[in-house]
Amino acid sequence: LAKTTQPISMDSYEGQEVNITCSHNNIATNDYITWYQQFPSQGPRFIIQGYKTKVTNEVASLFIPADRKSSTLSLPRVSLSDTAVYYCLVGQTGANNLFFGTGTRLTVIP
Amino acid sequence: EPEVTQTPSHQVTQMGQEVILRCVPISNHLYFYWYRQILGQKVEFLVSFYNNEISEKSEIFDDQFSVERPDGSNFTLKIRSTKLEDSAMYFCARYRAHGADTQYFGPGTRLTVL
Repeated sequence: LAKTTQPISMDSYEGQEVNITCSHNNIATNDYITWYQQFPSQGPRFIIQGYKTKVTNEVASLFIPADRKSSTLSLPRVSLSDTAVYYCLVGQTGANNLFFGTGTRLTVIP
Repeated sequence: EPEVTQTPSHQVTQMGQEVILRCVPISNHLYFYWYRQILGQKVEFLVSFYNNEISEKSEIFDDQFSVERPDGSNFTLKIRSTKLEDSAMYFCARYRAHGADTQYFGPGTRLTVL
């Protein structure tokens, strides 16, 4: 199981772009990279998933360099409602048990 | 659109009592999971359930815990004799491979053991 490392916390002002980087040096060939968002007292919410290069959806972008040893979640123009904990997970399939780290606590400041 | 719903949203119980937490998937699926999160701590895996059988369980999932799918729809987590340290948020999740290969979580049940 690839271990992931993320910053414990980040602060950002409203309207800015936020980039959260996750290190996963031991990622395996068949591993995907998945990001979740969690608000207090709510279940983790799937944001985005990728394998390589760049993935974009209506919420975020995920940048994965060629060596796949890290990934960056990019949130464009954050708002106060983006204040949450963001988790980076690495694994072969979502059917396997998910192991959450401590995540990155993002605080958006007005 | 929720992938699963959970009931109750909040359960308060006395130590030693039995509790049953319920998870109702929106549609039929084979893979289900229970996780818990003690206040201020990580989300922890408890058990996975595939095709109506436990496929894997963590060290946390001891003899006090059980899971079943009694009516082919609802998916339940039972704690036979609750302890103070069982106080946590309990999340049900289901696996879906369409689109993203990942799990989708319910809103959770907050269990408070007094």
